[in-house]
Amino acid sequence: NAGVTQTPKFQVLKTGQSMTLQCAQDMNHNSMYWYRQDPGMGLRLIYYSASEGTTDKGEVPNGYNVSRLNKREFSLRLESAAPSQTSVYFCASRGVGQGRTEAFFGQGTRLTVV
Amino acid sequence: AQSVSQHNHHVILSEAASLELGCNYSYGGTVNLFWYVQYPGQHLQLLLKYFSGDPLVKGIKGFEAEFIKSKFSFNLRKPSVQWSDTAEYFCAVNAGNNRKLIWGLGTSLAVNP
Repeated sequence: NAGVTQTPKFQVLKTGQSMTLQCAQDMNHNSMYWYRQDPGMGLRLIYYSASEGTTDKGEVPNGYNVSRLNKREFSLRLESAAPSQTSVYFCASRGVGQGRTEAFFGQGTRLTVV
Repeated sequence: AQSVSQHNHHVILSEAASLELGCNYSYGGTVNLFWYVQYPGQHLQLLLKYFSGDPLVKGIKGFEAEFIKSKFSFNLRKPSVQWSDTAEYFCAVNAGNNRKLIWGLGTSLAVNP
């Protein structure tokens, strides 16, 4: 059982380049999330998808877009990367359960924008 | 707005010392509470969770946490830490039926052998 799988694990981009971070979960979870983690700032929610077919902005959505391709997959796209987007990105998923279910995290993508 | 506050940003302990990490939240209704751990270079993993019932909950690796409703707190404890407990610890709160978790900024724990 793989849980939450993120690709790639590491990426270096030049300013202005675009890329898509992929995330897939095999736990039949409805909700999926994209976070970024920066030193001293904890986890900040970029976008989330409460269920297949819906997406909503989180705290820091600017410069990002998402696609909930199906129930399993939730991708994050950087259209024109900026140095401020250098960060570690985590995808997570949760099942239904009135807020009682835990979040399961992927291994993270360490992105550097130069 | 709902928020989660973790009082200690950096904690340094020697092995066998006792640990208590503070977590307070601001929300007056029903909450579901979580502590996660992130070992160096790894992803977040669940340590323990509280939904209802006994306010003292036990998690993995000897950790426990106590929910005190009147203080809006959910502090994490361990009687005797080990070097392998060196990690970052995050408190998270789910307010009501909300789909989003509210996260604290984390506490970095370093345990010296």
